[in-house]
Amino acid sequence: KQEVTQIPAALSVPEGENLVLNCSFTDSAIYNLQWFRQDPGKGLTSLLLIQSSQREQTSGRLNASLDKSSGRSTLYIAASQPGDSATYLCAVRGAGGYNKLIFGAGTRLAVHP
Amino acid sequence: SAVISQKPSRDICQRGTSLTIQCQVDSQVTMMFWYRQQPGQSLTLIATANQGSEATYESGFVIDKFPISRPNLTFSTLTVSNMSPEDSSIYLCSVPETGEETQYFGPGTRLLVL
Repeated sequence: KQEVTQIPAALSVPEGENLVLNCSFTDSAIYNLQWFRQDPGKGLTSLLLIQSSQREQTSGRLNASLDKSSGRSTLYIAASQPGDSATYLCAVRGAGGYNKLIFGAGTRLAVHP
Repeated sequence: SAVISQKPSRDICQRGTSLTIQCQVDSQVTMMFWYRQQPGQSLTLIATANQGSEATYESGFVIDKFPISRPNLTFSTLTVSNMSPEDSSIYLCSVPETGEETQYFGPGTRLLVL
């Protein structure tokens, strides 16, 4: 059974810092991995999608890496801003036609001015 | 990208009653997913709804408690039946992009059961 763990559970940093959020999963047979952002009281916004054959994806100040063999992904946020404050969720989709997403518990990020 | 709307956005209900949540997608999709997010928790898949067939429920979720309808390729409903305070959660509808790459989520329905 796939399990997804995110560390840290919460993070509070001053504006401008570079951040690393960690995600680990127990079954390396994944189809892809996705990072989402959730703002309080809102739905989920997809940030980055990494296919199982890829090592990283970048979008603006965000960079996500994937090491499938070790069951790990990291989300790197450069030069953090108060607007980055949200909960960041990691989710994996299983391989072999198994198409549901398994989510981690998330990292609650607070970036203060 | 798919645009998903949900109704209601939030509701406060009395225990023992039922609430039906609607999910509308702006394009035709084969699969729709219903997730639950309990307070302070991550998302848990309730069921997968395919048009023209019965929904497939995950372990711990049953049709009598969470009946789902999927009358066409753009619409689905989830009913939370005989509610108790433990059903207080955010309920989210989700659809995969064609080819099951990115997955899109609706804004969620925030339910509080008193």
